[in-house]
Amino acid sequence: DQQVKQNSPSLSVQEGRISILNCDYTNSMFDYFLWYKKYPAEGPTFLISISSIKDKNEDGRFTVFLNKSAKHLSLHIVPSQPGDSAVYFCAASEKTSYDKVIFGPGTSLSVIP
Amino acid sequence: DTAVSQTPKYLVTQMGNDKSIKCEQNLGHDTMYWYKQDSKKFLKIMFSYNNKELIINETVPNRFSPKSPDKAHLNLHINSLELGDSAVYFCASSQGSFASGNTIYFGEGSWLTVV
Repeated sequence: DQQVKQNSPSLSVQEGRISILNCDYTNSMFDYFLWYKKYPAEGPTFLISISSIKDKNEDGRFTVFLNKSAKHLSLHIVPSQPGDSAVYFCAASEKTSYDKVIFGPGTSLSVIP
Repeated sequence: DTAVSQTPKYLVTQMGNDKSIKCEQNLGHDTMYWYKQDSKKFLKIMFSYNNKELIINETVPNRFSPKSPDKAHLNLHINSLELGDSAVYFCASSQGSFASGNTIYFGEGSWLTVV
């Protein structure tokens, strides 16, 4: 039962262009969402988050959009850089499930110079 | 200095053995976790400890026993290892509940291979 889905296992983007990573969720009780970035042989690192009371959060080149009615969020990276090449995990939680974070399977992003 | 450190990074062992993975965080956090990344790359929570007390135990076989001697350490002991236990295990920590918006910091992972 995948409560958090990332349907694209991989994505290739040209340097300087926009990267859009998508995430869908099924649990309407989720109220906090995050994106983590993971390089090979390293642990995931926090990238950006969004609360369900917002529909957009921006941090430099990274913007996360949340569409609650569609149960969909997306991460936009613009402009994309080769150093952004990594696996990106979408994650979600609900306040009633203390610390129970559900991660998606990840999308591997390759930014081509 | 690594904020969340776990050892060993790589472990190859035979079925039936007992092994431990150690985890330490120097961030002063009060909550620690163990996650398992399976063959399908899903990161799934196994355990969560807050101030040395077990908060989450996610239907993990009782061959897996976490031990938290203090707030800064959460070790994972696995008895009678099985082939299906082969995975990458990530330790993590946060200050307070993740669900309240606190960031989880992950260790680099421990690659366990059971042969």
